Amino acid sequence: DTGVSQDPRHKITKRGQNVTFRCDPISEHNRLYWYRQTLGQGPEFLTYFQNEAQLEKSRLLSDRFSAERPKGSFSTLEIQRTEQGDSAMYLCASSPSDRANTEAFFGQGTRLTVV
Amino acid sequence: DAKTTQPNSMESNEEEPVHLPCNHSTISGTDYIHWYRQLPSQGPEYVIHGLTSNVNNRMASLAIAEDRKSSTLILHRATLRDAAVYYCILRDRDDKIIFGKGTRLHILP
Repeated sequence: DTGVSQDPRHKITKRGQNVTFRCDPISEHNRLYWYRQTLGQGPEFLTYFQNEAQLEKSRLLSDRFSAERPKGSFSTLEIQRTEQGDSAMYLCASSPSDRANTEAFFGQGTRLTVV
Repeated sequence: DAKTTQPNSMESNEEEPVHLPCNHSTISGTDYIHWYRQLPSQGPEYVIHGLTSNVNNRMASLAIAEDRKSSTLILHRATLRDAAVYYCILRDRDDKIIFGKGTRLHILP
C-alpha cells in the first residue's frame, strides 16, 4: 500500500476557473478528511466522510466548494469560480475507523495557486 | 476550535532530549491525546497517542499528567530531522481532527 495519494500535487489556475482535486485513501479506510493549510498556519478542517456519507462541512467551506466520495472510495474536492484567497495547500487524510484511538494518514497535499 | 494550548516555538540542541508541553484543561474522560508532526513541505504524520497511561513507541514517548489536563511529548534524542511543527490534538469518537497552531521545533546542530 502506497499510502494516501493526492492528485495533482500542484495546480495553477486563473481566477474564476473551476478546479477539482482527487484523493485516494488507503484501501478499506472508511473515514476520509479534507483540510486546507495556508503558510504558517495549522491545517484547517474542511469536511469529512464516513464511507460515502459526508458527515460535516466547516463554515469555512463556502457554496463554491463541494466534496464527494462516491462508493466510499476515492474523494474529490471541487472549487468553483476560484478566488485568490483559495490559494493554499489542500490536504487529504484517511483513517481505518471512527474510533478515537486510531491514527490518520495524510497525503502530500495539492498546492493550489490562483493567479 | 482547537482544545489544546502549546508554545509557539521551542529550540533544542541536537542529540539532546526534547520535552514538548501541551495543556488541555477541558479534556473529557473519553478524549484521546494525539500528537502529529509536520515536516517542511509534507503532510502531517502521526507520532503517538494515549488515554491515561504513559506511552512509548519507536518515535517518541507520551507522558500524561495524572489529572489528564496536560501532557508532554518526549523526543529522547533529537536529530535535525526532527525539526517540524508538532501538534497536540484531542480526539473523541466521531470527532473530526482539529489542529491548532502547534509548536515549531528548531533543532540546533
